[in-house]
Order: sequence, then C-alpha cells, then structure tokens
Amino acid sequence: GENVEQHPSTLSVQEGDSAVIKCTYSDSASNYFPWYKQELGKGPQLIIDIRSNVGEKKDQRIAVTLNKTAKHFSLHITETQPEDSAVYFCAASVESNYQLIWGAGTKLIIKP
Amino acid sequence: EADIYQTPRYLVIGTGKKITLECSQTMGHDKMYWYQQDPGMELHLIHYSYGVNSTEKGDLSSESTVSRIRTEHFPLTLESARPSHTSQYLCASSDPGQGSSPLHFGNGTRLTVT
Repeated sequence: GENVEQHPSTLSVQEGDSAVIKCTYSDSASNYFPWYKQELGKGPQLIIDIRSNVGEKKDQRIAVTLNKTAKHFSLHITETQPEDSAVYFCAASVESNYQLIWGAGTKLIIKP
Repeated sequence: EADIYQTPRYLVIGTGKKITLECSQTMGHDKMYWYQQDPGMELHLIHYSYGVNSTEKGDLSSESTVSRIRTEHFPLTLESARPSHTSQYLCASSDPGQGSSPLHFGNGTRLTVT
C-alpha cells in the first residue's frame, strides 16, 4: 500500500528565513497531494494542495512542488513569521479522501 | 473558522465506561470522517461515511463504532473505554462530489482513560 515519508520531523528557522519540508510517496498512482497545518489545540487546516498534472503551485508565501518521476513533493514557506509555527502534514491519495495517507508531521519552529 | 463542532473538548473517564464523542457540521457535507491522533503525530482514519446510513471502517482498526442517522451528525461511541483508547479524536467533513476536496476538521476531543 501507499506509504508517505516526511522530513524533517522538527525544523527550526529564523524569522524571515525560508522553510522547506519534504515528502516522498511510494504509490505511483497517487495524484493528489495536500498540505495541512495544525496549530496547537486545533484540528488540521488545508493550506495548499497540488494535483499530478501540475508541477508547482503558489499561494502568497507558500508554494508546493511535485516531482512525479522521483515521487516526492515539497512545501516551501518564504519570509517565515511567528504565526507559521505549527505542525505541518503532507498527504497523498489517488483522488479520494478515504485513501489519504498522511506523513508523520513536521514541527516548524520560527525563532524570533 | 471551522463549521464543524466536537464535544467534549476534553474527557477523562474510568476504564469500562461507555462514552460517546459528538461531532456536528453545519456545511451540509455528505462525507464525514473520524481520525485518531496522538498529539503532534500522524493521523489515522478509523471511520468514514459517504452519507446518511453509510459507515465504513478506516485503515486503523478501532473498537469504536459510529452512526450516521442525520447528515450533520456523526457520533463515535466506545462501549467500554480502556487506557489504550487514550488519544485525540478528530472529526472532519468534506464537500460532496467526486474526487478530493479539502477536509474541514473540528478541534478534536482529547480522551484520557484512567
């Protein structure tokens, strides 16, 4: 079955610097790759997603890149701010939320 | 702000008790889900529903049961709580239709079984 590996498990960056979180997946049939942000005491919230017919997608300071050949995708956050501190989860599926396979999460710490 | 509500937020209960975790959404979503998550750890799907009178088990085996009598309501029940059930339970819903659409999560119920 599908397996999603996420790295690093913890990432500490200086405020204003960029942060990159990487995920790899095993099922070549996967074609939907969302990223969720979970703040302390809250449920995860979708921040960006990408489908396999697109190589990159941007939304203000957040971007996701997808390399289908290598089966990996990455989240890029530029100009990090204190409110970016949270746990970030990647996931992969074959266009079905019932089959979403989640990464183990990355705790992002923004140092002032 | 999420339009999906979970109660209670925190529950501490003794072994052997029956508990029901409530989940309601006001968005009219047909699809609903229950996830189990240890704090800060990955999410595991334990139940989902396509709509009223539809329930399916997820990837992670769970002793809990669910029901879907109304579109907006998807409660989870544990007949006899055990310490191994201690975890956070997250409810989610998504838009009807084909393919994937964003999951809307509640803020979870943190369950502790003593």
